[in-house]
Amino acid sequence: AQKVTQAQTEISVVEKEDVTLDCVYETRDTTYYLFWYKQPPSGELVFLIRRNSFDEQNEISGRYSWNFQKSTSSFNFTITASQVVDSAVYFCALSEGLLTGGGNKLTFGTGTQLKVEL
Amino acid sequence: EPEVTQTPSHQVTQMGQEVILRCVPISNHLYFYWYRQILGQKVEFLVSFYNNEISEKSEIFDDQFSVERPDGSNFTLKIRSTKLEDSAMYFCASSGTGTSGAYEQYFGPGTRLTVT
Repeated sequence: AQKVTQAQTEISVVEKEDVTLDCVYETRDTTYYLFWYKQPPSGELVFLIRRNSFDEQNEISGRYSWNFQKSTSSFNFTITASQVVDSAVYFCALSEGLLTGGGNKLTFGTGTQLKVEL
Repeated sequence: EPEVTQTPSHQVTQMGQEVILRCVPISNHLYFYWYRQILGQKVEFLVSFYNNEISEKSEIFDDQFSVERPDGSNFTLKIRSTKLEDSAMYFCASSGTGTSGAYEQYFGPGTRLTVT
């Protein structure tokens, strides 16, 4: 069974601080996919990144970076120089690669509420 | 930029009534999903749909729920006899396909269902 744990329920930072959101996952599959989604106060779910289990390269996109470590089953997300607009709930999600071609369900963590204050 | 749309944005219904939530997935996507999020909780998978069939469903998706793709664009979730505990935000999502096992799922803005 697949499981995603986001131990940080809520994080508060002051603008321009760096912040790391933790994600730990469990899966029995050797092929799986990891995702981060952002849920701003307006409620929609915004896709941020997808990573497959064969690619442990870290990724940077602007102020966002992701650290994937299979050895610790973690897929952490760092926001550099946080801004008020980053305030949202961030969800980590896992999909096992059971079905080739797509269609695998996402298992979400409980989310981390990030509050960035001036 | 293509996006998933959902209607209505908010639905209020009485317990025991049937509701239909509607979604228009991204046009070239082949996989469709419904998820729900009870207020303040995590997002939970309900069902996935491909080639006019359910691919997978969760324990939540019992006989009260059904999905349908009535035409080439809409994807609907029906709850036959709503219960108080069905109150939640319902998200529709769609994804493409390819040689990899999973593509990113793009979510609609959600329908907030309130059962009174």
